[in-house]
Amino acid sequence: DGGITQSPKYLFRKEGQNVTLSCEQNLNHDAMYWYRQDPGQGLRLIYYSQIVNDFQKGDIAEGYSVSREKKESFPLTVTSAQKNPTAFYLCASSFDSREAFFGQGTRLTVV
Amino acid sequence: AQRVTQPEKLLSVFKGAPVELKCNYSYSGSPELFWYVQYSRQRLQLLLRHISRESIKGFTADLNKGETSFHLKKPFAQEEDSAMYYCALSPANSGGSNYKLTFGKGTLLTVNP
Repeated sequence: DGGITQSPKYLFRKEGQNVTLSCEQNLNHDAMYWYRQDPGQGLRLIYYSQIVNDFQKGDIAEGYSVSREKKESFPLTVTSAQKNPTAFYLCASSFDSREAFFGQGTRLTVV
Repeated sequence: AQRVTQPEKLLSVFKGAPVELKCNYSYSGSPELFWYVQYSRQRLQLLLRHISRESIKGFTADLNKGETSFHLKKPFAQEEDSAMYYCALSPANSGGSNYKLTFGKGTLLTVNP
């Protein structure tokens, strides 16, 4: 089943802890994205990557970090510096800025 | 900077009525515009993109560069059109220099029977 896979589906984190969300794609897409989806806020871009070993900050990058060591993988780390991390996180990939394919999302809750 | 504005958070229409979801954008260069849709319990997916100039599920959207708008229209709404709709913008691909994809806040469309 080709596509983009996010894991886990649900994640709980204690305050002060870092946590990493996984995103893997087998579509051979160059570009990958991380968005945060909050009610009434739409999708806000956290980070995006156009090519391996390169990534750019989006509109709300503070408190987050990413890596792009492999074309297939674009993990997102939510650090303790993120003031309000409880949210729904969406990963996407695209070929050459055309249609973006989205994962099922990860719901992160800080407890 | 690139920005997408969807002025309506909620839109409710009756089955068979025309529907228009508004989208305005701000971008200094040449943009590529998209409409994405998220049905209940499904992944966000592409509905249509302006360069395709096609009608998908009866929906059309025309890019108006003068008004910087990309409104989504359908002449006769169906109950199955009920979903969250997002307008999105990306710099037009010119050598693959910038793939930043920015979304609006979305409009929740409800089509009543």
